[in-house]
Formats: sequence, structure tokens, C-alpha cells
Amino acid sequence: KNEVEQSPQNLTAQEGEFITINCSYSVGISALHWLQQHPGGGIVSLFMLSSGKKKHGRLIATINIQEKHSSLHITASHPRDSAVYICAVRYNTDKLIFGTGTRLQVFP
Amino acid sequence: KAGVTQTPRYLIKTRGQQVTLSCSPISGHRSVSWYQQTPGQGLQFLFEYFSETQRNKGNFPGRFSGRQFSNSRSEMNVSTLELGDSALYLCASSLAGRGFRDTQYFGPGTRLTVL
Repeated sequence: KNEVEQSPQNLTAQEGEFITINCSYSVGISALHWLQQHPGGGIVSLFMLSSGKKKHGRLIATINIQEKHSSLHITASHPRDSAVYICAVRYNTDKLIFGTGTRLQVFP
Repeated sequence: KAGVTQTPRYLIKTRGQQVTLSCSPISGHRSVSWYQQTPGQGLQFLFEYFSETQRNKGNFPGRFSGRQFSNSRSEMNVSTLELGDSALYLCASSLAGRGFRDTQYFGPGTRLTVL
């Protein structure tokens, strides 16, 4: 069992739809990251969270420490949002674990 | 400011050989981390360096090693290559030495193929 669980694994959407990707982890963490990887491999860090909520443009990330759960929301999705979204967690033990990723395709 | 650069971008080696990959962080960044990405295992953490010291290490065999120089540039070395070492190797830099508690800036990666 992966210590970081992401859902769904694959997601297709029509342009303009609201999208949610979920990430669950098992024990105490010092940081959680949401990463975006486009075809070709380049990775961009979208958010780093240790509590609460962050917003950047159409992207919103939230984390619930008690429930050990984080969500990444994309409002008004666009075909350029098509990518793999990866949740990564640094546990308090300094162990660093990545989720298996969510492949998102947004169609016009 | 220039981003994180990695060289070479592509590399083909044969089993048993060794390989050295290089990473130049963003100017002013003192922390460099290395990651391996394969279709089967996904992204996995290799090691993290700050001010020439290894701060954290993932669960990889001793064939995987790294170092960081005084200018923050980092190299990783894989000796006695195996077919399973074929992967995209990514490095990321961050400003301070708090590892994954800082925003990570990723390089484009080095795609290693072992034949």
C-alpha cells in the first residue's frame, strides 16, 4: 500500500468544468506539495502546504491535517491544464513519498 | 534568473558501466535534491544536499551516490548500471536547507537508458 494515495488515477473533463484531485496520507507530515508534470517530463511545483488553503489563479489547494487529506481544485478547466498532477508528502520522520499521480485530460 | 539545468539531457549506457549526471541549481539556491522517475515506481527520492552535506537519503542501494560542490552544483553517480536503472533523473533546487519544506524548482531531467 502506497503511503500516499491519490484519486482518481485518471480524469477527463470538458473545458470549463470544476476539477478535484484528492490525496490522502498516513501519519504526521511537515509539508505536502502538489506538482504538475507535462508530457516531456518537466515538473512544476504548484503549491506547498502545511495547513489551511492556498490559491493561485484558477488553482486552489487545501489540506485537512486532522483527516490527513488534501485536495487540489481547478476551476474553469482549460485544455492547457492537461497534465499529470502529483501529490508529495514529507513525513515528520523526514521520509519523502510521492503519490502515483492523476492524469488529467481536458477537452475543448 | 536561469532555471535549474541538468546535463546531459539524454544518455545511453550499457549494463555494468557507470554514469555521472550533473545539476546546476538556480543562482543563490543552496539545496539540491535528486529524484528517480520510472513508469513502474513513479517518482522516488534519492538524496538531498545542502552546503556540500548530504542531509537526507532515500531507499536506494549504495551504487547510487552524489555530492555537492561549494558552488552548489551537484552530481550524482550510478555505478555498475542495471537495466532497472533506466529512468528519468530529476534534480530540484530550493533556497534554504529545509528540504521538501521549501518550494522545489525542478530541472528538465536526464533520461538514462541502460541497454
